[in-house]
Amino acid sequence: ETAVFQTPNYHVTQVGNEVSFNCKQTLGHDTMYWYKQDSKKLLKIMFSYNNKQLIVNETVPRRFSPQSSDKAHLNLRIKSVEPEDSAVYLCASSRDNSGNTLYFGEGSRLIVV
Amino acid sequence: GQQVQQSPASLVLQEGENAELQCNFSSTATQLQWFYQSPGGSLVSLLSNPSGTKHTGRLTSTTVTKERRSSLHISSSQTTDSGTYLCAIVPGTGSNRLTFGKGTKFSLIP
Repeated sequence: ETAVFQTPNYHVTQVGNEVSFNCKQTLGHDTMYWYKQDSKKLLKIMFSYNNKQLIVNETVPRRFSPQSSDKAHLNLRIKSVEPEDSAVYLCASSRDNSGNTLYFGEGSRLIVV
Repeated sequence: GQQVQQSPASLVLQEGENAELQCNFSSTATQLQWFYQSPGGSLVSLLSNPSGTKHTGRLTSTTVTKERRSSLHISSSQTTDSGTYLCAIVPGTGSNRLTFGKGTKFSLIP
C-alpha cells in the first residue's frame, strides 16, 4: 500500500523551463528525501530534510531546490532544466534520520527535450 | 569508486528455480537494506539486515558484516519476482544516507 505520494508521475518539458515535483507522506515520519535515478539505474541522494534541517548533497546543481511546508511534504523544484536532468526522481521518507527503513514513492519521470 | 557493488548485473532463470543475489560494500555499514524495484519503477523495501540472517516469505538475506557482503536468496522464484533488486547501505562514516548499488535485473522465464 502506497504511503508516499508523488505528482506528477511523468513530465516532459523543454530546456530552460521550471519544473516542480510534489511529495507527500502519510506515515507520520520525520525525515524525507529526494533521490535521482539516472539512466544506469543508479540511485543517488539529492536532499534529506529532518526537523527543518536540510542536508544537501554537494554534487547537486544549484538549480535544484527542495521546498517543505511541514514534515509531511517535501517538494522538489528545478529552476531551469537541463538535458542531463532527465531521470526518475524518487521521494522517500523514514521514521527519523538514524538509518531506518526508507519508504519510496512511485517516482516522477522527467524528460527534458 | 563504487561503494556498493552488486552481482550479477542481470540474472535470467526459469520459474521455480532459486536465485542468489550478491552485494559487496567497500566501507563499514551501520545499516543495510534490500529493495525491489518493479518494471514500472516503484521501489519497495524488502528487508533491513545489517548483520546475520533474516527471512521474509521466500526471501532470505544473510549479511556478514566483517566481510562486507550480503546476499539475497529468492526461493522458488515466480514471474512476479521479475524486476530489479537493489542493495543499499548506510556507511559507517558519520553519514546517515543510504548509498545504493546499481542493482541486479532479475528476469523469469515461464
